[in-house]
Amino acid sequence: EAGVAQSPRYKIIEKRQSVAFWCNPISGHATLYWYQQILGQGPKLLIQFQNNGVVDDSQLPKDRFSAERLKGVDSTLKIQPAKLEDSAVYLCASSLLRGPFSGNTIYFGEGSWLTVV
Amino acid sequence: GESVGLHLPTLSVQEGDNSIINCAYSNSASDYFIWYKQESGKGPQFIIDIRSNMDKRQGQRVTVLLNKTVKHLSLQIAATQPGDSAVYFCAESGGSQGNLIFGKGTKLSVKP
Repeated sequence: EAGVAQSPRYKIIEKRQSVAFWCNPISGHATLYWYQQILGQGPKLLIQFQNNGVVDDSQLPKDRFSAERLKGVDSTLKIQPAKLEDSAVYLCASSLLRGPFSGNTIYFGEGSWLTVV
Repeated sequence: GESVGLHLPTLSVQEGDNSIINCAYSNSASDYFIWYKQESGKGPQFIIDIRSNMDKRQGQRVTVLLNKTVKHLSLQIAATQPGDSAVYFCAESGGSQGNLIFGKGTKLSVKP
């Protein structure tokens, strides 16, 4: 079974520039998550989609971050304009159902590493 | 702030020994807990989970213990191998509608 795919794996941009990350979840997974992981910390949820609808974006900095999942499959996370503190790994994850709960494992991709200089 | 934390940031063990990684959580309403393993340059990988109505669950070489009285979670790895070297995160959730909240992680180093 193919895992969660993300691209690009690495990106270096200057502050105030924009960047976009792409995610393809595991086939058939209705729920898609974007997490931000700052070096040395645990992942923090940014946004959660159920099919093509947003179910939780309470921790998404909406003045600069946006995300969409138009057809209920792939998703894109955009940052514009980037700040130095946005340097982190952006992890996409997916699960079959809206979770988390026992039997509904959340699977993570390998992440997109962003450095803002 | 984060409601899940870890007692030790690093743990070094000898190959073949057992490892114990600890985690404290503060939200008494959390009813589901997961341990993830994250190797360098990779995303978190599910290891084992436990519901709040259980106090122990075993997997292959791993055991999770939950003590709700003191809000403590631990991961035991038997016969630790070099491939177990990684950062381990505990995470908690308040139910199917809740978010998964991660702690800061413990780095496990296995000495050959």
